[in-house]
Amino acid sequence: ETGVTQTPRHLVMGMTNKKSLKCEQHLGHNAMYWYKQSAKKPLELMFVYSLEERVENNSVPSRFSPECPNSSHLFLHLHTLQPEDSALYLCASSHDLDSTGEKLFFGSGTQLSVL
Amino acid sequence: GQNIDQPTEMTATEGAIVQINCTYQTSGFNGLFWYQQHAGEAPTFLSYNVLDGLEEKGRFSSFLSRSKGYSYLLLKELQMKDSASYLCAVMDSNYQLIWGAGTKLIIKP
Repeated sequence: ETGVTQTPRHLVMGMTNKKSLKCEQHLGHNAMYWYKQSAKKPLELMFVYSLEERVENNSVPSRFSPECPNSSHLFLHLHTLQPEDSALYLCASSHDLDSTGEKLFFGSGTQLSVL
Repeated sequence: GQNIDQPTEMTATEGAIVQINCTYQTSGFNGLFWYQQHAGEAPTFLSYNVLDGLEEKGRFSSFLSRSKGYSYLLLKELQMKDSASYLCAVMDSNYQLIWGAGTKLIIKP
């Protein structure tokens, strides 16, 4: 248990569906992240929030829409996804942003399959 | 561009020692991390090196040479539960984490 909880663990959706991924951290951290993990590829940073404000959006398609209603919760809203979006989506948190040695605490991820 | 290289897969025997290498080319350096990820689970932090040398933590050790852009993770007295992927990541001068693709370690009895 890392203190970061993600739901659902698995999700299968059609290309026209709308779904949301949820992440909750119980660590009192100020920064939260969404990563995409594809097989045999490096982790891809998608979004970063610090104190509920989005500070980074790494050229992610608009079919992915993040939301951070408070410092403990992070959502990723999915709409009209493509099959190449199938991957493991990981949420992470850290105490602060842009700090040397700041380690990440990850959730177990949502394994997403787009049909 | 920025790049992290680590072997895709390694195999080792229970009870033995294995060394997983990581080489990097980044814009600046603010430390190197190793994470362990069991299949279907969250990556978990193993070690952080910012100065040259060896950091030992139980059966696991991590080494860094900044001049060579090189690190390794050393696992001793291997156990079956050490079968996992090991992720190397470097924090660059902008505090961005640059990730390797991970090394899948298979432990055989």
